[in-house]
Amino acid sequence: GENVEQHPSTLSVQEGDSAVIKCTYSDSASNYFPWYKQELGKRPQLIIDIRSNVGEKKDQRIAVTLNKTAKHFSLHITETQPEDSAVYFCAAPSGAGSYQLTFGKGTKLSVIP
Amino acid sequence: EAGVTQFPSHSVIEKGQTVTLRCDPISGHDNLYWYRRVMGKEIKFLLHFVKESKQDESGMPNNRFLAERTGGTYSTLKVQPAELEDSGVYFCASSQGLGDGYTFGSGTRLTVV
Repeated sequence: GENVEQHPSTLSVQEGDSAVIKCTYSDSASNYFPWYKQELGKRPQLIIDIRSNVGEKKDQRIAVTLNKTAKHFSLHITETQPEDSAVYFCAAPSGAGSYQLTFGKGTKLSVIP
Repeated sequence: EAGVTQFPSHSVIEKGQTVTLRCDPISGHDNLYWYRRVMGKEIKFLLHFVKESKQDESGMPNNRFLAERTGGTYSTLKVQPAELEDSGVYFCASSQGLGDGYTFGSGTRLTVV
């Protein structure tokens, strides 16, 4: 099955700086990579996703890059704001065509005002 | 559009008791998933319904867990009898099709004492 590793487990940045979270996956057939943000006490919410036919996708201050050869993908947040503080999870399908997602262990991001 | 609704939001039960969690997915979403996050660890897959059928229940820990989705609408997850290690946050999610991002519910925080 799929194995997803996520780093770092915690990340503190000053407001306005950039934050980068990295994930690796094991199944080369995986083709869909979502990122979820979970604020304290709330539900995980999909913030951005990327499919294997593109290398980068941006949505305002958030971007995701994918390197299929190296089997890793990263979340980039620019101009961080205190409301970006949350736990971020990466995920990958548990096999080609699988509906099941395997999640990373999460990164707790703290943005210091 | 109503989101994914889970009930109850919190449950504290004694070891050996029974608890039933409920999930109402987004209307029209055939795919319904149950996941669990034990304290500080990753979000782990439990099972996946397509309409009323169990598509994949490989993540169910043992036969103390029983999930149903009568009529392909809402789903229940029953734990009987509950053990201390069952404590965690149980998330339900739904999606329309393959490769669609999940919409998560707010979760049920289960504490077994």
